[in-house]
Amino acid sequence: GENVEQHPSTLSVQEGDSAVIKCTYSDSASNYFPWYKQELGKRPQLIIDIRSNVGEKKDQRIAVTLNKTAKHFSLHITETQPEDSAVYFCAASRRTYKYIFGTGTRLKVLA
Amino acid sequence: DGGITQSPKYLFRKEGQNVTLSCEQNLNHDAMYWYRQDPGQGLRLIYYSQIVNDFQKGDIAEGYSVSREKKESFPLTVTSAQKNPTAFYLCASTPGSSGANVLTFGAGSRLTVL
Repeated sequence: GENVEQHPSTLSVQEGDSAVIKCTYSDSASNYFPWYKQELGKRPQLIIDIRSNVGEKKDQRIAVTLNKTAKHFSLHITETQPEDSAVYFCAASRRTYKYIFGTGTRLKVLA
Repeated sequence: DGGITQSPKYLFRKEGQNVTLSCEQNLNHDAMYWYRQDPGQGLRLIYYSQIVNDFQKGDIAEGYSVSREKKESFPLTVTSAQKNPTAFYLCASTPGSSGANVLTFGAGSRLTVL
């Protein structure tokens, strides 16, 4: 069946360093790839997304890259700060109503 | 916390009881969703609704029921048939137009079975 694999499950970085989280999807027809940040006990919030007609998108310290051939997309956070500590989820979708989520990455930024 | 309101935030249930989780949105979105979140797992779809008076089963619908009598409201009932209901439940919505859309989530309801 359709699935999204996300790695690593936990990631610890020193403040100021970069963090990279990777996802691989199985459905080659997927065309929309959002990333959500979820702080403890709170709702997931969209931080960045990319559509299949674009290879890279950047928003300040956050960037997402997409490799359609490899069915792989990644989240890059530069100059990490303690407030970046949260669980990050990737997802893949090819139509409304059908989103496949990764299992999440717990990011800890150490001060 | 505007947009999607879920209540209650915390709920305790005894075995054998049905409970209903509320989800209301003021975004004028057509589509609404219920997801279940368990530790170490991705979000899993329980039910979704594209329009009023219509809803579809997701991947883990057994033991749950929903209704969509109003565009703004999509309540979820966790029935006694759900064998392991302790989890964090998230309601979400999308505008509902064709193609993949941004999911907007509520703040969640944490259900604990005693």
